[in-house]
This record gives sequence, structure tokens and C-alpha cells, in this order.
Amino acid sequence: QSVLTQPPSVSGAPGQRVTISCTGSSSDIGAGYEVHWYQQLPGTAPKLLIYGKGYRPSGVPDRFSGSRSGTSASLAITGLQAEDEADYYCQSSDGSLGAVLFGGGTKLTVL
Amino acid sequence: QVQLVQSGAGVTKPGASFEISCKASGYTFSTHSIYWVRQAPGQSLEWMGWINAANGNAKYSQKFQSRVTLSRDTSATTAYLTLLSSTSEDTAVYYCARGFGGYGAFLDFWGPGSLVTVSS
Repeated sequence: QSVLTQPPSVSGAPGQRVTISCTGSSSDIGAGYEVHWYQQLPGTAPKLLIYGKGYRPSGVPDRFSGSRSGTSASLAITGLQAEDEADYYCQSSDGSLGAVLFGGGTKLTVL
Repeated sequence: QVQLVQSGAGVTKPGASFEISCKASGYTFSTHSIYWVRQAPGQSLEWMGWINAANGNAKYSQKFQSRVTLSRDTSATTAYLTLLSSTSEDTAVYYCARGFGGYGAFLDFWGPGSLVTVSS
């Protein structure tokens, strides 16, 4: 059971906008620790998608954006494309445990 | 370009230990910590620990504290994960990743993963 809660799945048609939530607690996201997002295509290693206050690594399209509020964070994907079909994970930290936390992952299906 | 190349493990028997190595290149090894994350079949990512490549200090997940050892060889720019007393529940893909930043770091480069199957 993951400490950060994500919906198991989301879906959308090409061109649409979808959001993926990541809910934590006052010990992690709510304590001010940054939330990072990763995309994992089938059979491959995770890839950094969003880090810190919504920054994108070089090569990540601006269709991907991240935000954080209170004890939650969200990943938004606009202009959905077939190639976006993947698993998405959020990551944060827990100050009280000194731990790195991952969400349970969300499978995005492009209809 | 930053690369993390993994090797080791494969099939191992229950009760045995295994080691996975992670050779880094394309950056100054000592300036970034190496994180270890595993993913059981069909499951989420699970953080195991990280090691400060400069001084060798390691931080472990409470779940793995008694069974995992992280080490590094700065001359070989390689980090190692050793897991003791493996069981079938340790069957997973094990990833090393480069950490960027201090506490609350993100993982900006990942190795390809090492599949470990624990089976008799």
C-alpha cells in the first residue's frame, strides 16, 4: 500500500485534457516537500517528467504540467496523444521518516 | 551524456543473497547520490535506499534496513546493492537512478533495470 494515493486509472480521447491526482499527508506533500512525476512506458524504466515547482526536463513537451496545493499534487496532460499512454507515478519525501515515497501509479489509457 | 549501466542478479535461489551493480558515466560520480528503486511484477515503484556517492553514507527504507547494503566504489564510478536472504517476494526489476538535489531529490536519470527472479 503506497503512502501517496493516485487513481489506478484515467482515460481520455486524443486531444483532450486529463489530470492525475496524488494525495499525501501533512508529513510529506503537506510539509512542503516537492512532488515529482515520472512516466513509465511498458517494459521500460521510469522517466522524469516533472520536477519541483512544475519544471520540465529538456525534451518533455509543455503539454505536461504539474501543480501542488496543500497535501495534494496534480499532473495535467493537455492535447492527449496516443504516445502518452503509459503509467504515471508521483514521488515525494517524508520528513519524519526520512523516506522517499512513491504513489501507487496511474495507468493512462488514450481512447 | 549521463548513463547508468546495470548488471548482476538474474535468477537466484530463496535464501541466497544477490548483488546488482550500477556503473555511472557522463558526470562526476561523487556529486550525485544513487538511489535504488524496485518494481515487483505489475506493482508500483518502491524505494529501497540511497547512497551518498561522495562519502558513502547510506539511507535505507525501514522495510529493507536489515537486509540491504548499499555501497560504492568511486574509482570505478559504480554503486552496488546487496540484498540478503531473498524470498520470492523479492522477485522484481531493480533500478538504480541518479538523485538530483538534497532532501526531496528527484531522480533524473535511471538505469535500464535488472530483473531478479527468486526461484528454486
